[in-house]
Amino acid sequence: DTGVSQDPRHKITKRGQNVTFRCDPISEHNRLYWYRQTLGQGPEFLTYFQNEAQLEKSRLLSDRFSAERPKGSFSTLEIQRTEQGDSAMYLCASGQGSGQRHQNTEAFFGQGTRLTVV
Amino acid sequence: AQSVAQPEDQVNVAEGNPLTVKCTYSVSGNPYLFWYVQYPNRGLQFLLKYITGDNLVKGSYGFEAEFNKSQTSFHLKKPSALVSDSALYFCAVRDLPYQKVTFGIGTKLQVIP
Repeated sequence: DTGVSQDPRHKITKRGQNVTFRCDPISEHNRLYWYRQTLGQGPEFLTYFQNEAQLEKSRLLSDRFSAERPKGSFSTLEIQRTEQGDSAMYLCASGQGSGQRHQNTEAFFGQGTRLTVV
Repeated sequence: AQSVAQPEDQVNVAEGNPLTVKCTYSVSGNPYLFWYVQYPNRGLQFLLKYITGDNLVKGSYGFEAEFNKSQTSFHLKKPSALVSDSALYFCAVRDLPYQKVTFGIGTKLQVIP
């Protein structure tokens, strides 16, 4: 399977614990995105990487959230001191693009990591 | 700021009938528009996109969308609905040069046999 893969698919954790999710993008894609989706809502943008550089961050990404993409390939999203409000589906997507509008592709999504904080 | 509105929470259509799922957007510059579909417990699947050029865009599974700049709309259409089209549909917009893609809240499409 050469699509975007996310691990784990499901995570149940106790409030206050730290969790880390991993995303492996499509190999030739230079752009990687994290989104969060709660029930009845569309995906909400969290952050975006171009290669290893984190270029945009949403104000939704509090200090407890940190994302990395150290070698410009896979990415991790860590949530520290989880709260019940963090329960959601965390979606990763990747795409290929440059400064030229017509060279940008759409984002391809993984199947997500469903986080439940109890 | 960019935004997307999907005015219908749910659209019901009989199998074989044409379907339309509505989307309007707001951007400061030129929009880059998308439709995605989501099946239960699955990630989002790309259907189609508008970048520039022809206002009628054709995508996967027989879907198409019409870009209307004056009405700032990008409605999703299909001439003949299938029961298997039943899913959650998301319209999304990106305002260049930013990378953030903003999604609507989704429209549930129910195709009735």
